[in-house]
Amino acid sequence: DVQMTQSPYNLAASPGESVSINCKASKSISKYLAWFQQKPGKTNKLLIYDGSTLQSGIPSRFSGSGSGTDFTLTIRSLEPEDFGLYYCQQQNEYPLTFGSGTKLEIK
Amino acid sequence: EVQLVESGGGLVQPGRSMKLSCAASGFTFSNYGMAWVRQAPTKGLEWVATISYDGSSTYYRDSVKGRFTISRDNAKSTLYLQMNSLRSEDTATYYCARAGYGYTFDYWGQGVMVIVSS
Repeated sequence: DVQMTQSPYNLAASPGESVSINCKASKSISKYLAWFQQKPGKTNKLLIYDGSTLQSGIPSRFSGSGSGTDFTLTIRSLEPEDFGLYYCQQQNEYPLTFGSGTKLEIK
Repeated sequence: EVQLVESGGGLVQPGRSMKLSCAASGFTFSNYGMAWVRQAPTKGLEWVATISYDGSSTYYRDSVKGRFTISRDNAKSTLYLQMNSLRSEDTATYYCARAGYGYTFDYWGQGVMVIVSS
């Protein structure tokens, strides 16, 4: 199975700042990585797929980069609604696997 | 608007069975693969199973293979997960998700809780 290692575990930032979340695969997954946002009381939201393709309806302040084993989700100019949990997921092969999550909190 | 609504969860004893359902609306259900993803309390997301748009192909994680069966009824726009021989480690919130482009999940339900305990 492809192991996904996500970092940092916790992240605190202020509205208006930029943050980055990293995801490392245990073997090459080409470009096939997705990012999700999870918030209480809301359904999980797909943000990015194929490493850098922005899902329809997602603000352009979200961006993804990377290929092979190393990937990054960057959120520029944080908005209050961006705080929550973020997960990466490899889309390359079964079993599909997720990172352990990053909690983005308000500083 | 795409909507996925899970039902059928609750408390069940170890070794017993439970069947989850997911009612889909707002899209042509028969055109999309579907999946179940679970999340144990305070833990991360874990993919469980995927079924192709026509039900001809299914995929499972090893820990549920032989115990869980994913199926669908395209006439009813409903996805199912039959869970047999349940274990305490199956305790989780189970999410129904639409399989989007390239082995990922573009819409999710709110989830249904399954608690396996005596």
